[in-house]
Amino acid sequence: EIVLTQSPGTLSLSPGERATLSCRASQSVSGVNLAWYQQKPGQAPRLLIYGGSIRATGIPDRFSGSGSGTDFTLTISRLEAEDFAVYYCQQYDSSFPGLTFGGGTKVEIK
Amino acid sequence: QVQLVQSGAEVKKPGASVKVSCKASGYTLTDYHMHWVRQAPGQGLEWMGRINPKTGVTKYAQKFRGRVTMTRDTSISTAYMALSSLRSDDTAVYYCARPPKIYFDWFFGYWGQGTLVTVPS
Repeated sequence: EIVLTQSPGTLSLSPGERATLSCRASQSVSGVNLAWYQQKPGQAPRLLIYGGSIRATGIPDRFSGSGSGTDFTLTISRLEAEDFAVYYCQQYDSSFPGLTFGGGTKVEIK
Repeated sequence: QVQLVQSGAEVKKPGASVKVSCKASGYTLTDYHMHWVRQAPGQGLEWMGRINPKTGVTKYAQKFRGRVTMTRDTSISTAYMALSSLRSDDTAVYYCARPPKIYFDWFFGYWGQGTLVTVPS
């Protein structure tokens, strides 16, 4: 199966700053098969980006996804108070079982 | 609006089985696959498998094959996930999740509220 490695483990930033989160795959992933989720304590994850770069319904445009091959990035252009959370990447590939999540990046207030 | 409402928390003994339900509303259950994802305390997300509610066809992650069974009852718009031979490391919050749109079957745009299953060691 494809292993996703997220870095850094924790990102300490201030509101208004730019956040760049990395997701590296152990094998090449089609960009359209990659998604990003946000999770806050005690809540279910929330889909942010799917198909590599499509923002889910209601997701503000400060969130963007990019990348190809084995390297993918979630960028939050200007952090707002509600963006401090844990972020997961997820991929699907057709070689079953084929669906895995990264270990997560925590974005905390500096 | 789309809602997935799961059954309540469970405490099970090692070796027992658990069955979690997920009632869908706001859409037709058979229009989308239903996935199950779990999260151990303080840990990341782990995909368990999915069911096609229209056909009943299932696909399970290799780790859970032989222990997990996903079913549905279309008459009451409800999907189920049963896990047998429970161990302490099965303690987790179990989520049902639905794709955001047609043709994006492998992403999770709608989630249930989660069901905590505790298996004391």
